This record gives sequence, C-alpha cells and structure tokens, in this order.
Amino acid sequence: GEDVEQSLFLSVREGDSSVINCTYTDSSSTYLYWYKQEPGAGLQLLTYIFSNMDMKQDQRLTVLLNKKDKHLSLRIADTQTGDSAIYFCAEDTNAGKSTFGDGTTLTVKP
Amino acid sequence: DAMVIQNPRYQVTQFGKPVTLSCSQTLNHNVMYWYQQKSSQAPKLLFHYYDKDFNNEADTPDNFQSRRPNTSFCFLDIRSPGLGDAAMYLCATSSSPRYEQYFGPGTRLTVT
Repeated sequence: GEDVEQSLFLSVREGDSSVINCTYTDSSSTYLYWYKQEPGAGLQLLTYIFSNMDMKQDQRLTVLLNKKDKHLSLRIADTQTGDSAIYFCAEDTNAGKSTFGDGTTLTVKP
Repeated sequence: DAMVIQNPRYQVTQFGKPVTLSCSQTLNHNVMYWYQQKSSQAPKLLFHYYDKDFNNEADTPDNFQSRRPNTSFCFLDIRSPGLGDAAMYLCATSSSPRYEQYFGPGTRLTVT
C-alpha cells in the first residue's frame, strides 16, 4: 500500500526476538493493526493498538506506537519457526476501510 | 465457531468465462469486503458493503461486480475474466468500518 510502508524481508534465528517496523501516514487513524498471513491462507488478526496508547503487550507480542513519527512496530519474543509468515500492518482511515502495507516476510531459521 | 467461509478454495476458469466466488459469515458483521491479492502483495480492496450500502473503489474494473443478498452472504462476480485477474480473492468482515477485519481463507483463481 502506498500510504503504509514496511520493510519487505526479515530473517531471524529461532529463539531470537523479531522486530517488524511500519510507518503510516494518516494521523487520524484510530486503530492500527497487525495481521499475519501464512502461505495459501487468509490474513489473521494478530493484535491491534488504539491510537491513544504507546504500547500494548499480548503474550509474546509487543506493539509500540510512536504517533509523532507515525511509526508502529511489532516485536515477537522468542521467535519460533511457526512464526514464519508475512506480517501486514494496517491503518484504519476516515473512509471506513483499512490501508495495508506491502507486508514483511519473516523467515525464522532453526 | 464463528467464522468467514469462502467457496470454493480453488477455482479454475477459462478466459472470458464468467465466474462467481462466494463468501459467508456467521459473525453477523455489518461490513463485508472483497480484496484481490497477487503474489503476497498488499491486499487490494475491490469494494465493500456496509449493510446494503455498496462502496466501490475508484480503480476497481467494471468487470468486477458484487452482490450481498443478505447479511450472511456476499458474492464476487467476474464477468469476463482475463489472465491478469488470476489472484487470491479474500473476503473479510468487520462489525464496523474502522474496526478489525476477519478474513476468510481465500479463493485462489486461475484463468486458463
């Protein structure tokens, strides 16, 4: 998506932490989302953060939001081979729909 | 389990032969979306329904149509598929337009 940018690839070793970054443009976004897509499957909502929050933690997942810089990150602790997938960030818009980034392919090496 | 179901999972059609993809949901969500996704790119929104209100994206080709006969079902009709329409088609639902979306598994369309 042209308004949401992500790095395309990330490779980590099993057990390490993964950090996937995203920048967005719509300062009026209320919610920012992280979705996971495994090969041949639809997108699965992983977590989301409300725009008035700085951080949200959910088990191995930590979302950080820097609203001033319009920067969102997803940290996966103790990354496992099952975490290998494409991760999309998305912002909601005033138009009542989400704008998705192009996705970050996470590869976890044993 | 409440879910979003897409049928079929794989569809092969011939160039120019009309095809319909279906989506159903048990979440009772007001909003249903159709996306086209190519080669693990960002899903591209084609259109969405907010209840019965149809919202077409400006760059969605006329070749693509949609119907939502009731809350649970939504259909994507491709009137004359071209080779460039081969893609994964994803249906998603949401309780409200700005809220999180729940995706179906997708239908992989092949055009021969």
